[in-house]
Amino acid sequence: GDSVTQMEGPVTLSEEAFLTINCTYTATGYPSLFWYVQYPGEGLQLLLKATKADDKGSNKGFEATYRKETTSFHLEKGSVQVSDSAVYFCALSSDSNYQLIWGAGTKLIIKP
Amino acid sequence: DGGITQSPKYLFRKEGQNVTLSCEQNLNHDAMYWYRQDPGQGLRLIYYSQIVNDFQKGDIAEGYSVSREKKESFPLTVTSAQKNPTAFYLCASSQRPGTSYEQYFGPGTRLTVT
Repeated sequence: GDSVTQMEGPVTLSEEAFLTINCTYTATGYPSLFWYVQYPGEGLQLLLKATKADDKGSNKGFEATYRKETTSFHLEKGSVQVSDSAVYFCALSSDSNYQLIWGAGTKLIIKP
Repeated sequence: DGGITQSPKYLFRKEGQNVTLSCEQNLNHDAMYWYRQDPGQGLRLIYYSQIVNDFQKGDIAEGYSVSREKKESFPLTVTSAQKNPTAFYLCASSQRPGTSYEQYFGPGTRLTVT
């Protein structure tokens, strides 16, 4: 079945460092891919999405490119801030059902 | 402002009691979802509804029940049959079921059962 695999956390970085959080997926057909962010004690917010191969989603300095050849959707940011500390979830929505398939989440800690 | 509201934010119950968690949306979305999140873990789907008066079980429906009598409301009841109900519960909605439609989330309800 469809699945999403994220790198395990926590990921700890210093402020202004470059961020990559890896996400790979297994799916039939042509899924849409999403990154969500969850701040402590809150619900999830959509960060960015891509609906077809080679699409790049971007928001708030974060980017991710839909790579069908490597079945990946890695999240990147050039210079992280303390306020980016949160849990990041990768998810896919496949042709075979309308549910979102979630990764386990990656906790990001940014130190000043 | 459009959005999803969940109430209350914190809920405490004694073991053996049923409890109902509220979820309301004013986004005019067709589909609604309930997830459970345990500490340090991802989201697990409890129930979802693609249209009024219809809903389907997710991956962990045992011990839970839902209703969808109105488009904007999708309450979740945690019954006494749920073995380990203490968790963070998240409600979400999407414009309609479909691969490119993202889900919007409420702020969550943290349920503690003792």
